[in-house]
Amino acid sequence: AQTVTQSQPEMSVQEAETVTLSCTYDTSESDYYLFWYKQPPSRQMILVIRQEAYKQQNATENRFSVNFQKAAKSFSLKISDSQLGDAAMYFCAYRTNNNAGNMLTFGGGTRLMVKP
Amino acid sequence: DVKVTQSSRYLVKRTGEKVFLECVQDMDHENMFWYRQDPGLGLRLIYFSYDVKMKEKGDIPEGYSVSREKKERFSLILESASTNQTSMYLCASRPNPGQGGEKLFFGSGTQLSVL
Repeated sequence: AQTVTQSQPEMSVQEAETVTLSCTYDTSESDYYLFWYKQPPSRQMILVIRQEAYKQQNATENRFSVNFQKAAKSFSLKISDSQLGDAAMYFCAYRTNNNAGNMLTFGGGTRLMVKP
Repeated sequence: DVKVTQSSRYLVKRTGEKVFLECVQDMDHENMFWYRQDPGLGLRLIYFSYDVKMKEKGDIPEGYSVSREKKERFSLILESASTNQTSMYLCASRPNPGQGGEKLFFGSGTQLSVL
């Protein structure tokens, strides 16, 4: 079974600075997707960024980028120019790409605090 | 935009009660999911459904059942609520892979307290 580990229960960052959230995963599959979801206080989960394992290029969405290290099974999220609205719970998630891969496996989450 | 609606934002029930959590999506998605969210444990899958009347157990199905009589509605049932089922429950949906189905759309969650 796949597992996803987020080793940082809480992180804080000064507004306008950069922060990196860590995620590692364990799988025997070679083809899969990785995601970062954001959950603000409203509780609505929002997809931040996704990475397809067969793509070597790291995904980027505006101020959000990932460092995908397939051999190390590591998938960290970098938030540049942090804003107060980035404060939220962040979840790393994994999904295999085979026909039975209908489920997302989530990590335990990292609470990000942004200091003004 | 896709909308996933959970019927209650907060719910308080007594031990032994039968509890229904309802979820409706408006985008004709084939796949629907129920997760529970607990601090430090992230989201854990309870059940999912890939079609009407079809269901599959997730990682923690014990104490729960589900019903999907219509494509847009996926209900989670606690047959006899217990205090260890106090949690945040999140419903999600998505289309099949290959139809833009890589993204999960979530409801706003139901915080259930069992006393």
